[in-house]
Amino acid sequence: GENVEQHPSTLSVQEGDSAVIKCTYSDSASNYFPWYKQELGKGPQLIIDIRSNVGEKKDQRIAVTLNKTAKHFSLHITETQPEDSAVYFCAARSGGGADGLTFGKGTHLIIQP
Amino acid sequence: EADIYQTPRYLVIGTGKKITLECSQTMGHDKMYWYQQDPGMELHLIHYSYGVNSTEKGDLSSESTVSRIRTEHFPLTLESARPSHTSQYLCASSELRTGNTIYFGEGSWLTVV
Repeated sequence: GENVEQHPSTLSVQEGDSAVIKCTYSDSASNYFPWYKQELGKGPQLIIDIRSNVGEKKDQRIAVTLNKTAKHFSLHITETQPEDSAVYFCAARSGGGADGLTFGKGTHLIIQP
Repeated sequence: EADIYQTPRYLVIGTGKKITLECSQTMGHDKMYWYQQDPGMELHLIHYSYGVNSTEKGDLSSESTVSRIRTEHFPLTLESARPSHTSQYLCASSELRTGNTIYFGEGSWLTVV
């Protein structure tokens, strides 16, 4: 089955700086890669996703890049703000089986004022 | 904005009790999921359903059971709770078509004492 590795587990950046979180996946059949933001005591909320036919996608301060050859994808947050502090999860979905998501272990992003 | 609701949000129960976690969605989604998440850890798929009368086991073995009698409702039941069942349970849903976004509820925090 799919295996997703996520790094780093904790990331601390100064407010206004950029943050980058990286994930790798194992199943070359995976074709959908969402990123979720989870605040304390809440469920994960989708912030951006990318499909395998696209190399990059951007939504305001958030961007995701995908390298299918290397089987890795990254989340980029620019001009970080205190409200960006949360746990971020990457995920990958392959076409078969449960069609659910395999998640990375999460990155705790801390924005220092 | 996702319209998926979970009750109770927080529950503390004694060992051996039977509990049911409720999940309802108003988006008309055919697919529904249950994920288990320990604090600060990744999400693991424990059950999913393609539609009414469909239930499948996920990647992580669980002693819980699920039912899908109505499209909008996907309850999870533990017949005899144990301390090892202490965790957060997240319900989610998506359209049936492969690759569609999975939306999560706010989660149910279960503590078994």
